[in-house]
Amino acid sequence: DAGVTQSPTHLIKTRGQQVTLRCSPKSGHDTVSWYQQALGQGPQFIFQYYEEEERQRGNFPDRFSGHQFPNYSSELNVNALLLGDSALYLCASSNSGTRTEAFFGQGTRLTVV
Amino acid sequence: KNEVEQSPQNLTAQEGEFITINCSYSVGISALHWLQQHPGGGIVSLFMLSSGKKKHGRLIATINIQEKHSSLHITASHPRDSAVYICAVGSNFGNEKLTFGTGTRLTIIP
Repeated sequence: DAGVTQSPTHLIKTRGQQVTLRCSPKSGHDTVSWYQQALGQGPQFIFQYYEEEERQRGNFPDRFSGHQFPNYSSELNVNALLLGDSALYLCASSNSGTRTEAFFGQGTRLTVV
Repeated sequence: KNEVEQSPQNLTAQEGEFITINCSYSVGISALHWLQQHPGGGIVSLFMLSSGKKKHGRLIATINIQEKHSSLHITASHPRDSAVYICAVGSNFGNEKLTFGTGTRLTIIP
């Protein structure tokens, strides 16, 4: 079992560009959550996807959008990148039907220049 | 005030010492998670608990629901325990959005 996999691991983008980050959940998991972790801070919840729908959303602007595919994998899209979007983006997967702990990927480190 | 507060923010100890990291929260929860994050960034789940105490190897986690407080203990600490330890709380088992503390940076000196 590969666990939660994220791609790419590192990314450098220019201000104003758009970026897409990808996450494959752990086998058997159907729920994917995305978090943003700024340097020296704890992760902040962006949104959660279940059954291909956004189920919950944190306090992030509409520039942050996502998608979940039938195979439960997910994408996080960020438009009109700002310098402040530079952070580690973490994906976590869980199973909605059981009391399971969340499993996290290694993260994608995004740098906006 | 943050919903999840951890203390201390930084902790340096000698190898072999007993380590305690504390977490207090102000919201109702279904479960509290203790997580470990190494410099590469990836997060590993150590414990998920909703009551009492759990033990895994040299790690022990306790929670007091009435006092809204949890502790993570490390016995016989080792330099490989050096990492950031993060407390997170969730409000809905299996479907939960997690709210994180800012973490405790632990350094164990040989």
